[in-house]
Formats: sequence, C-alpha cells, structure tokens
Amino acid sequence: EPEVTQTPSHQVTQMGQEVILRCVPISNHLYFYWYRQILGQKVEFLVSFYNNEISEKSEIFDDQFSVERPDGSNFTLKIRSTKLEDSAMYFCASSDPITGQGYNQPQHFGDGTRLSIL
Amino acid sequence: KQEVTQIPAALSVPEGENLVLNCSFTDSAIYNLQWFRQDPGKGLTSLLLIQSSQREQTSGRLNASLDKSSGRSTLYIAASQPGDSATYLCAVFSGAGSYQLTFGKGTKLSVIP
Repeated sequence: EPEVTQTPSHQVTQMGQEVILRCVPISNHLYFYWYRQILGQKVEFLVSFYNNEISEKSEIFDDQFSVERPDGSNFTLKIRSTKLEDSAMYFCASSDPITGQGYNQPQHFGDGTRLSIL
Repeated sequence: KQEVTQIPAALSVPEGENLVLNCSFTDSAIYNLQWFRQDPGKGLTSLLLIQSSQREQTSGRLNASLDKSSGRSTLYIAASQPGDSATYLCAVFSGAGSYQLTFGKGTKLSVIP
C-alpha cells in the first residue's frame, strides 16, 4: 500500500539554526499537510497546501515557518530560526483530491521526524 | 473552536476482553471522524473513517460508531490482543473551508497477555 515517507527520522539542531524537514506524499494525492506533536500533548495542525499554495495555516505557523513543493514528489517544511519550543515530532500527511464524496477522504500520515533543538 | 476529548487517558485490559474507547467533540458540525493508532515513536495509522451521515463503520475486529448530534464516537475493539497495545487517537474534520484535523489526546491501551 502506498505510504507517506518522511526524512530524516530524527534531526538534532542547535537553537537558531535553520532546519528543513522532508516528505514524499502518496503519489496521486494533491492535498498536503504538516502537523506537530509536542511530547505528551495533542497532535496539532500547522498548515495545509494545495495547488502550490497554502490553503490554511494555524496560529503556530508564523513567519519562521514555510512550506514548499520544490518538485513533483517532495513537500518540505522549513523552520528558519529554531527555538527550544520547536522540539516536537513533525508529521506530514496527504489526502486524495476532493471528489464527488466531498471532504470524506482520509488523511494518510508518515512516521514523522523527531526534531530536537539543543 | 472545536475541542476533542478522549476518555480514559489510559486503559489496561486482559487479553481477549472486548473494550470501548470514547471520543467526544464540542461542535457537532463535522464532515467525518477518523480513528488512528499510534505506536510509540511512530506515525499515525488510519484505522477507520466514519462519515457524518454514517452511524457505524467496521474493519475486522474494530467497529466505530458516531452520534453526531451528541458529539460522541466510540471505538469498539473485539477480542483484544497484545498486539493491539498502542495509543488510539480520534480526530474530527469539520470541513466548511477548513482542511485540518482536530485531534484528541488519545487513549493509551495496554492489553496484558
């Protein structure tokens, strides 16, 4: 079964450094998402992306964050200047295009990238 | 703002027992609800998606029900096995121009052999 792939599985970075998290969504999917989960807390939505632009973002997704689809297969999340509180598990997800079934398409998640800020 | 709550936070049962995990949400205007499984240090595996027009959805030993008007869903696991041990998350999709899933904190299930 097709799956969402994320690299690296674990990233350790010094505070203030830039970090790029990479994702390869399921190939025929057109909607892409980033979520994060701080240890012991809920999974939180960061951003959704469709047709090469952000369709929705949360309050967490401030100017330090950006997303990009640099080619036909990759989807990246960049954090420009990392802070200690950015330490979390970051999940990428993708879903099928919105079809005649409306919004009833499941989101499929990758295994996540554990980001540790020192 | 949609809030999702899962009770209990943790549950320990002997192998073979049937069990029910609960999820409640504050805004009943949802398009669907997804149940996920999360193993330690791993990603989220989608188990079931139940649409707002549906009452139940089944996959193998799993059965999810949805009572949209009361803002509740349950995940029923029949004949539990040690391999079912994981954290189970529910997430609601409200649609209406929003694409985000809103998650509960999860129920950590331990099935004792």
